[in-house]
Amino acid sequence: GAVVSQHPSRVICKSGTSVKIECRSLDFQATTMFWYRQFPKQSLMLMATSNEGSKATYEQGVEKDKFLINHASLTLSTLTVTSAHPEDSSFYICSAGRGDSTDTQYFGPGTRLTVL
Amino acid sequence: AQSVSQHNHHVILSEAASLELGCNYSYGGTVNLFWYVQYPGQHLQLLLKYFSGDPLVKGIKGFEAEFIKSKFSFNLRKPSVQWSDTAEYFCAGGLGNTGKLIFGQGTTLQVKP
Repeated sequence: GAVVSQHPSRVICKSGTSVKIECRSLDFQATTMFWYRQFPKQSLMLMATSNEGSKATYEQGVEKDKFLINHASLTLSTLTVTSAHPEDSSFYICSAGRGDSTDTQYFGPGTRLTVL
Repeated sequence: AQSVSQHNHHVILSEAASLELGCNYSYGGTVNLFWYVQYPGQHLQLLLKYFSGDPLVKGIKGFEAEFIKSKFSFNLRKPSVQWSDTAEYFCAGGLGNTGKLIFGQGTTLQVKP
């Protein structure tokens, strides 16, 4: 199977600090990864598409300077929440695909961010 | 606008009852449809998917879904639920070959033993 990991699983930070979340595809290469945000009792909202070797593509309404995405290799994408505020507290989930024609995405376990 | 909607937000069933969760999509182009499940404290797992061909798709754990193009629907079914099916269920639509997914609002299924 395809395994995607995220680190850390939980993070608590003070307002104004930056937090980095890693997403790794453990047993396959992913040229494209996706970052989602999930509010309590709500659905997943796509934030951005992370492309290996190029700039991320952000969905409408998502601040590029707030949520920095770097896709440094075929197995790693990072999301940095800069100058975090309490309203950024959420569950962040990444997904990765093998890049085959079926477009099946494999999801990471998510990262719970709490900004105090 | 491209969207996926789930009609049932919270469903409570007794064990052995039959399940049907509604999902409707609204967008043109290539239709790729998915059902994901999120068990408490776990990550999303793929239940089944439809890309083309037979509109009745069988997935894991006894789940199936039927793609009805005329109704823009992709409802999830299981003839007899178990307590272990208690989870959050998400319908999602894939946008062509982009890999992007649009998720429905999710349905919380609670199965009483």
